[in-house]
Order: sequence, then structure tokens, then C-alpha cells
Amino acid sequence: DADVTQTPRNRITKTGKRIMLECSQTKGHDRMYWYRQDPGLGLRLIYYSFDVKDINKGEISDGYSVSRQAQAKFSLSLESAIPNQTALYFCATSDLATSGGTDTQYFGPGTRLTVL
Amino acid sequence: AQKVTQAQTEISVVEKEDVTLDCVYETRDTTYYLFWYKQPPSGELVFLIRRNSFDEQNEISGRYSWNFQKSTSSFNFTITASQVVDSAVYFCALSEGANSKLTFGKGITLSVRP
Repeated sequence: DADVTQTPRNRITKTGKRIMLECSQTKGHDRMYWYRQDPGLGLRLIYYSFDVKDINKGEISDGYSVSRQAQAKFSLSLESAIPNQTALYFCATSDLATSGGTDTQYFGPGTRLTVL
Repeated sequence: AQKVTQAQTEISVVEKEDVTLDCVYETRDTTYYLFWYKQPPSGELVFLIRRNSFDEQNEISGRYSWNFQKSTSSFNFTITASQVVDSAVYFCALSEGANSKLTFGKGITLSVRP
């Protein structure tokens, strides 16, 4: 089984609809992240969470919200989807480096979201 | 602010050729970390390597090698004797200090033709 799973893998929705993307992990990591990937733009950070009680905005949080339901679950919501939120969304996890320094992020398979 | 530039957008080579993917970074921190990820056509992101700013030793892993040069703020990735399975988008990324937030470059699409 995959260590980081995302559901759904593909979703088509209409403008104005509320949608939730879910991420679960079995790696036992404390830190979780949501990114979006747009063609030619690389990945950009939307939100991140270092533990269940910690939520932080990333580079492009407007129009999104998140919920950290448990250590293993981190959901991304689009309250009212708009077409320019059409993108590939990735969840990632990491663990605080015990040897010091930063940690390595491991990514889920991605969710392809289309907003019509 | 941190920044990663991957000036090459698309590279096409014939199988068995060597190919180098360039990555130039900007940061004001003295402690930082550099990463390469691979995104094959199936879409997932695969971690390849991480280097910290204190370790300028080059790294070799099979056909892959990485050249980290602080003097030019570069962390280049070379694939020797490329194979069709190397066809993918390759991302370079940077994080500063211990904040673990990654800044990605825009990616390089590598196509290896048989």
C-alpha cells in the first residue's frame, strides 16, 4: 500500500461548488503539506501543518482552507471553486529531521482537479 | 527570498547520450537544503536527492550524479547514458534553515528518444 494516499485522484466540478481533497499517510510523519502544480509553474505551497494543532498559510492560500483531522489526515477545501483553481494538487509529508536540519518531503500521487 | 531557476524548459536527447539539467538557486541563508525530484509521465513526484549547504561533495548514484557548487549557486544533475525511462519532468527545490518549506523551480521536461 502507498504511504501517502490522496482521494479522489481525479475530479471534475463546476464553478461555485465546494470541494474537499483528502490526504492520508501511514508514514507516521508529523508534518503535512498541500501544493498545487500548474503547467510551466512548478509546485507552489498552499498550506502546511507541523502537527495537529498547527496550521500555516503558504504562498498561495487565498481561496483554500485546510483541516488537520488527525496526525495522519490533512484535507484541503475549496469553498467556492473557480476555473483558475484547475490544477494538479499534491499532498506531501515529512518528519522533523532527527539529525538536525530540514526534512525531506514525500509526495502523494496527486489529485487532478478540473473546475468548469 | 529564496528562488530556484531552471532555465532549461525542455531537453530532448537520444538514448545513451549524457544530459545535464541545470539548477541555480538564490538564498540569503547560510544554512539551506537542495533537492531534486522526478515526475514521470504517470504524474507522481519521486524524491531523488537532498544536499545541505555544508556539504559540497559531489554525489553519484548509478547513472545519476549531482554537482553542487556554492561559488556559482548551482546544483546540477547529470544523467549518464540516458534511457527512455529517464523521460520525465525534473524539479530542483530549495528550503532554508529548518523551516522545511520547499521552493520549486519550474521544472525541466526531459525526453529521451530510442
